[in-house]
Amino acid sequence: DSGVTQTPKHLITATGQRVTLRCSPRSGDLSVYWYQQSLDQGLQFLIQYYNGEERAKGNILERFSAQQFPDLHSELNLSSLELGDSALYFCASSVGSGTGELFFGEGSRLTVL
Amino acid sequence: DQQVKQNSPSLSVQEGRISILNCDYTNSMFDYFLWYKKYPAEGPTFLISISSIKDKNEDGRFTVFLNKSAKHLSLHIVPSQPGDSAVYFCAASGTSYGKLTFGQGTILTVHP
Repeated sequence: DSGVTQTPKHLITATGQRVTLRCSPRSGDLSVYWYQQSLDQGLQFLIQYYNGEERAKGNILERFSAQQFPDLHSELNLSSLELGDSALYFCASSVGSGTGELFFGEGSRLTVL
Repeated sequence: DQQVKQNSPSLSVQEGRISILNCDYTNSMFDYFLWYKKYPAEGPTFLISISSIKDKNEDGRFTVFLNKSAKHLSLHIVPSQPGDSAVYFCAASGTSYGKLTFGQGTILTVHP
């Protein structure tokens, strides 16, 4: 158990819909990262928040947005969903904002039909 | 632009033998490298890391080697055990790069 909690574990929805994925980081960790893993792909970095502020942005689509709340939990919002958005979405956390070990949650599997 | 590459999608090894997983990177700004292991239906878990000031780091059966001039790192598992069967991801970051950049992963299968 990494201490990072993600909900929901599984989500099935239709194209055009909007979903929210939630992540609670490990106790004491200030950074939250979101990664996407599509079929047969590695983990693609989407976005990082540190203590409530956006710290780094990767290949995140404009249809996607995220935020980190004062209690440090984070939400990833995916809108106008397309079939290609079907993937595993991982949240990870770390103590600081720089290099170092990330602790990953079990992921949220999104299926868009 | 794949900055971290694992060119072997899979590797099959006999129990007790050595497993060698390879990783290449292109970004000279990377100075910290990690290996993660992932079982099905679980998130990746940290295995071992190495800073660019070192060329080797050992932790039990796991050793990571870094060749900066070749921009290459490898993970050695000796002896390999069936429980090591998993997907192994190589990752890299830099002091100005808080995020980790991951390779595509290598599926390791250790046969009893």
